[in-house]
Amino acid sequence: AQSVSQHNHHVILSEAASLELGCNYSYGGTVNLFWYVQYPGQHLQLLLKYFSGDPLVKGIKGFEAEFIKSKFSFNLRKPSVQWSDTAEYFCAVTPKAAGNKLTFGGGTRVLVKP
Amino acid sequence: NAGVTQTPKFQVLKTGQSMTLQCAQDMNHNSMYWYRQDPGMGLRLIYYSASEGTTDKGEVPNGYNVSRLNKREFSLRLESAAPSQTSVYFCASRSGTSSWETQYFGPGTRLLVL
Repeated sequence: AQSVSQHNHHVILSEAASLELGCNYSYGGTVNLFWYVQYPGQHLQLLLKYFSGDPLVKGIKGFEAEFIKSKFSFNLRKPSVQWSDTAEYFCAVTPKAAGNKLTFGGGTRVLVKP
Repeated sequence: NAGVTQTPKFQVLKTGQSMTLQCAQDMNHNSMYWYRQDPGMGLRLIYYSASEGTTDKGEVPNGYNVSRLNKREFSLRLESAAPSQTSVYFCASRSGTSSWETQYFGPGTRLLVL
């Protein structure tokens, strides 16, 4: 079975700082990768996803992620955060052969100080 | 479109009581999912329904039952609630079962079992 590890549980940074959240997965086959975000009091929504092609994926709100297959990683980045980026971020993976088995990491809580 | 809706928003139960969490989607999606979210553990799949009339176990199905009532509705039942089932429950749906498809989440139900 696949698993997902998010290294940072909590991140605190100031506005305009750069953000990078780590995500590593464990699975022997090919996968699709997702980043979801949960803003305070809201439900999860998709930030971006990778399923094929260019390993550098751009999502909404200026976020991007890079799939490095050799490192089993899918790190999320944003060059300059805003207070409104305060949220919990979840990395998720699903094997291409088992589309219903979406596995989430434990999440990273990001607090952006104004 | 309301997307994915869940009722109730909050619920307090005593150990041994039963209840049903309701989920409905108005996006004409075929697949529906139930997750639980616990601090530091991300979301874990309880049950899913790839299409109307089918249901399958996820990662943590013990203590739960589901019913895919029709294409729109997918309910989760706790027959005899236990404190370990205190959690936030999310319903999700997506159009098909391809691994690259995005899941759309509801707002969640907070359940406290005393």
